[in-house]
Amino acid sequence: DAGITQSPRHKVTETGTPVTLRCHQTENHRYMYWYRQDPGHGLRLIHYSYGVKDTDKGEVSDGYSVSRSKTEDFLLTLESATSSQTSVYFCAISEPPGLAARTDTQYFGPGTRLTVL
Amino acid sequence: EDKVVQSPLSLVVHEGDTVTLNCSYEVTNFRSLLWYKQEKKAPTFLFMLTSSGIEKKSGRLSSILDKKELSSILNITATQTGDSAIYLCAGTDRGSTLGRLYFGRGTQLTVWP
Repeated sequence: DAGITQSPRHKVTETGTPVTLRCHQTENHRYMYWYRQDPGHGLRLIHYSYGVKDTDKGEVSDGYSVSRSKTEDFLLTLESATSSQTSVYFCAISEPPGLAARTDTQYFGPGTRLTVL
Repeated sequence: EDKVVQSPLSLVVHEGDTVTLNCSYEVTNFRSLLWYKQEKKAPTFLFMLTSSGIEKKSGRLSSILDKKELSSILNITATQTGDSAIYLCAGTDRGSTLGRLYFGRGTQLTVWP
């Protein structure tokens, strides 16, 4: 298994509070991703990072921000949590996309279940 | 609109049955198609397919890609209760510098003893 951990694994918070989720990897992969998974929607990309301090938005980025100050850590912040952000959040890593399709494979962390009341 | 569509959305079978899960994709400049298995935790990688007609196998699981039909199937023979999971299909875009995966919504497979 890829060395990816996420913390916390479970969190319950109230509407309007800030929340930060952490993803930590020991694989030294340059690319990191944050997804959310909801019933009926599958996995949707929130933000991704292609290097330290290099990040960009995915398809569902509103209400979320990210930071990457070290290769191994990728943080996802909900500035003011809303009930619609109740979800399971997965971090993933991959090698940089290249000529070889094998670099397309992403490896996932164990997930964080977030409940916003 | 969805770029990757999986069917059926859910499937219930008995141990020993053979199942076929379907995935169709509309990804510009298609490069690869990936299958993942998700139990009550993170998706785990099963197969990557890049060439049409080549079958990938791992034990009772096998998958094949049809580039002409823009589709893939995942077969599981002699199913076991441990095969119960969500099976996710994802396509990648040759033109994407991100290496982005476009996921389908998954097929929930339940295997009864």
